Amino acid sequence: KNEVEQSPQNLTAQEGEFITINCSYSVGISALHWLQQHPGGGIVSLFMLSSGKKKHGRLIATINIQEKHSSLHITASHPRDSAVYICAVRLNYGGSQGNLIFGKGTKLSVKP
Amino acid sequence: NAGVTQTPKFQVLKTGQSMTLQCAQDMNHNSMYWYRQDPGMGLRLIYYSASEGTTDKGEVPNGYNVSRLNKREFSLRLESAAPSQTSVYFCASSRGRSIAKNIQYFGAGTRLSVL
Repeated sequence: KNEVEQSPQNLTAQEGEFITINCSYSVGISALHWLQQHPGGGIVSLFMLSSGKKKHGRLIATINIQEKHSSLHITASHPRDSAVYICAVRLNYGGSQGNLIFGKGTKLSVKP
Repeated sequence: NAGVTQTPKFQVLKTGQSMTLQCAQDMNHNSMYWYRQDPGMGLRLIYYSASEGTTDKGEVPNGYNVSRLNKREFSLRLESAAPSQTSVYFCASSRGRSIAKNIQYFGAGTRLSVL
């Protein structure tokens, strides 16, 4: 059973489109992270949130704790946004202090 | 401003060989982590170190050992490599000791193949 589910798995968009990537989790969490993995493999943390909404440039992340759901939005998408977007959660129960559970990622391709 | 530096970038081993993956950060971070990434799976935590002198197992520690040599460096050792350890390995660091409350900074990764 996957504790973190991302949808869609793959997404192709045209430049300029508004993009939404979803992350659902099945248990209580204390924090949720969004990360971006570039085609070359490098990983960058985008957001860490435990409630509400955060915005950075054209990226917006929201979380609904009651519904156990988070979304990552990209406005005015650009080909340079093409990457794999990964959701990760820190569970409320058990585990070690260091245990983040990662989703499998959403592969985004933005066409010019 | 190097951030998190991993060496080597690529490595091919034969089954049974040993090797150490090196990781260093120059951000004065307290916590450091080793992950592996396999096709079709999310990143999985192998080991982490919440502070200098401490290490703890993550989700998939079997077959690995780690050393937090000092605040800057955190190495991952494969004593007897197996084909199942073929993967991409990422080192990461964060300022604080709680993975839930701190952004992680990742290295570029080490692509390891075990034949």
